[in-house]
Amino acid sequence: NAGVTQTPKFRVLKTGQSMTLLCAQDMNHEYMYWYRQDPGMGLRLIHYSVGEGTTAKGEVPDGYNVSRLKKQNFLLGLESAAPSQTSVYFCASNSAINQPQHFGDGTRLSIL
Amino acid sequence: GIQVEQSPPDLILQEGANSTLRCNFSDSVNNLQWFHQNPWGQLINLFYIPSGTKQNGRLSATTVATERYSLLYISSSQTTDSGVYFCAVVDYGGATNKLIFGTGTLLAVQP
Repeated sequence: NAGVTQTPKFRVLKTGQSMTLLCAQDMNHEYMYWYRQDPGMGLRLIHYSVGEGTTAKGEVPDGYNVSRLKKQNFLLGLESAAPSQTSVYFCASNSAINQPQHFGDGTRLSIL
Repeated sequence: GIQVEQSPPDLILQEGANSTLRCNFSDSVNNLQWFHQNPWGQLINLFYIPSGTKQNGRLSATTVATERYSLLYISSSQTTDSGVYFCAVVDYGGATNKLIFGTGTLLAVQP
């Protein structure tokens, strides 16, 4: 049982480049989330989805876009990467609001 | 918004010692989870515990929702317990399902 899988695990970008982070879950969960973690801090919500075809903004959405075309996948896009987006990105999913969120292993992204 | 505070901020233990980590939250919650972030950065789910008590091996947790706190107990600590322990809650009246994380407790277990 893979759970939540994130790809890639590491990436280095130059300022202005674009990229997409992929999150896949095999638990048939309705809800999916993208968080970022900066040094010495807890996680902050970027965007989330309450079901296939839906997305919504979280706490720190600026500079990111998301899509949920398939229930099992949640994509996070950076259209024009900036050094301030250097962070560790975590994807999570759960089946309902009052159920635990399950996290992937994270993607370490550096923007030079 | 809801505030989550963890104490102590850091802790050094000798292997075999016991410890208690505390999480205080400022309002009613719909979800409370404890995580261990290991030195490789992975977030490991320890407990989903919006109320009551649970045990898993050497770890146990208790949440008293009416008094707005949760405790994580680590007994007979091992060096592999080192890392950061996060408490996270979902605001019961919030607009999103986001987990709100505390600032964590950094635990170092020395051999």
